[in-house]
Amino acid sequence: EVQLVDSGGGLVQPGGSLRLSCAASGFTFSTYWMSWVRQAPGKGLEWVANIKHDGSEEYYVGSVKGRFTISRDNAKNSLYLQMISLTVEDTAVYYCARERVLTGSYFSDDYWGQGTLVTVSS
Amino acid sequence: DIQMAQSPSSLSASVGDRVTITCRASQGISSYLNWYQQKPGKAPKLLIYAASSLQSGVPSRFSGSGSGTDFTLTINSLQPEDFATYYCQQSYSTPFTFGQGTKLDIK
Repeated sequence: EVQLVDSGGGLVQPGGSLRLSCAASGFTFSTYWMSWVRQAPGKGLEWVANIKHDGSEEYYVGSVKGRFTISRDNAKNSLYLQMISLTVEDTAVYYCARERVLTGSYFSDDYWGQGTLVTVSS
Repeated sequence: DIQMAQSPSSLSASVGDRVTITCRASQGISSYLNWYQQKPGKAPKLLIYAASSLQSGVPSRFSGSGSGTDFTLTINSLQPEDFATYYCQQSYSTPFTFGQGTKLDIK
């Protein structure tokens, strides 16, 4: 059974840093792209970043470029999101997701973690 | 970035109804379009990928269509468990942007 378990959220002051983790099991982690998607309280979904199965490619939404870094450790079946210079606008539930890529480069998030809440507040 | 616009933002319907949600991309995205369902406090669930392909395990009352800039999600014979918020997402180019969501509630 595919499982993704998000962790690392919490309360952080503006300007602070936080590192989120996602532990994967039930599939061959090293063969899948992975992504982070966030959702501010009461708002819609926002795609944040993704990373290729071997870590050789990373893409980000503009609002987090230069502040967030997505990474992975295939030996530990884990995905990470390092966040620095956090602002109140980064307050959200952060979900990791498995990105399935079908022939023709059709990406879709077919499994999701339960989410971890990041609150940026003084 | 590609902008995704869903309509309507909210929708009231009854069990047994047929409903249609529309998603429009700011530029052509071929069939690189996904649909997700989200219930309160839960992670999203993939329903449709590549505009019209039904994800494994999703009931056949859900269907998707469209190509280019205009897409639709149709739910036939609404069931009580279908009342949720629905999002479209383009996967044509990063960032893979979502629509703002359509909240479907019980009339």
